[in-house]
Amino acid sequence: GAGVSQSPRYKVTKRGQDVALRCDPISGHVSLYWYRQALGQGPEFLTYFNYEAQQDKSGLPNDRFSAERPEGSISTLTIQRTEQRDSAMYRCASSLSPRQGTDTQYFGPGTRLTVL
Amino acid sequence: GENVEQHPSTLSVQEGDSAVIKCTYSDSASNYFPWYKQELGKGPQLIIDIRSNVGEKKDQRIAVTLNKTAKHFSLHITETQPEDSAVYFCAASMGGNNNDMRFGAGTRLTVKP
Repeated sequence: GAGVSQSPRYKVTKRGQDVALRCDPISGHVSLYWYRQALGQGPEFLTYFNYEAQQDKSGLPNDRFSAERPEGSISTLTIQRTEQRDSAMYRCASSLSPRQGTDTQYFGPGTRLTVL
Repeated sequence: GENVEQHPSTLSVQEGDSAVIKCTYSDSASNYFPWYKQELGKGPQLIIDIRSNVGEKKDQRIAVTLNKTAKHFSLHITETQPEDSAVYFCAASMGGNNNDMRFGAGTRLTVKP
């Protein structure tokens, strides 16, 4: 079946511009996670949702970062006034169970963001 | 794709004892193995990781071992404390930008005072 999809796969933007990254989880998956991943390292947690409710946003670096999942399916991670240090791979994952900590997470291919 | 199995699913230990969580993986090309700790209401936090060119890595009370031949890796927590209580996830990937990263199903660790 279809896995987690993300778009765009690559995004190049100029410093100061806003960007929106999209994640489409596996159908029926309740939990959705956003991570930021540096090359060769594991994903660092940003935020996650159960259904449409944002459960934890403690990993968001600052208030320029926000995320939403208004209908409990597709999620958007928005970065306002991008800075060069925001350049990274942004990865989304979803899991089936609404119960935290009991289910495998499946990752999407990621969006490679480059801020010039 | 990669398949990661994690055992046990639940683990209860007395404060001060050691805890060991084991994972196996299927793809011999995997070379990066992170461990995450997830507390109630929080997202998974990376606590330690190991790469395939290293057999063991230690960070204070936490250590991870890797056996590439057997395709298994383990998390060891010594002198456990109640604040170690959480769900722990292992994961395996080929690193870089590869999307074939898989988490294990998690181990709920309870440390009893």
